[in-house]
Amino acid sequence: SQQGEEDPQALSIQEGENATMNCSYKTSINNLQWYRQNSGRGLVHLILIRSNEREKHSGRLRVTLDTSKKSSSLLITASRAADTASYFCAPLYSGTYKYIFGTGTRLKVLA
Amino acid sequence: NAGVMQNPRHLVRRRGQEARLRCSPMKGHSHVYWYRQLPEEGLKFMVYLQKENIIDESGMPKERFSAEFPKEGPSILRIQQVVRGDSAAYFCASSPQDTLNTEAFFGQGTRLTVV
Repeated sequence: SQQGEEDPQALSIQEGENATMNCSYKTSINNLQWYRQNSGRGLVHLILIRSNEREKHSGRLRVTLDTSKKSSSLLITASRAADTASYFCAPLYSGTYKYIFGTGTRLKVLA
Repeated sequence: NAGVMQNPRHLVRRRGQEARLRCSPMKGHSHVYWYRQLPEEGLKFMVYLQKENIIDESGMPKERFSAEFPKEGPSILRIQQVVRGDSAAYFCASSPQDTLNTEAFFGQGTRLTVV
């Protein structure tokens, strides 16, 4: 399977702590996206990082990409209860146009 | 600019009936993708369409499922003779061009329940 693999599958932290989620993929990519999904809702796009980029920030979110290790990480700083959701990475493999989703990391932030 | 609109949000069908799921892409987007999500799982690619063309339907079940994206109107995912195993959330995404350097925007999904 070419899907991105998120790690850990589940993560539980206290409000105010940082949360780090990792994603590994199989072959070369054009870009990689991170999405959030609240329970029973649609996907919200968080960040797109291109294969020639190493790091991107958006508010409390920081995404890194290491193409040599074929991995990406999503860091949420100063987490809030509202960050409780499932987080998915979706690599876009070179030569393709469809995003392949993993099973996600279920983050729970305790107030 | 409204986002990707999917309707209905919830759909209940009896076994053997037909389900029609609609997706209106964002304005100016000509590329549509359909994904299916089973409980506690990620999204599985089903089909990729451009206006009036099916580009990749490698994720579509061979029978009972079909998709279209006509010149005018929304994209339609059609499931004939539904079975309980079709119960899932179906998500549509659109992009203005191919996804090489643009993100895909997702709708809120249609939750299909087959009883």
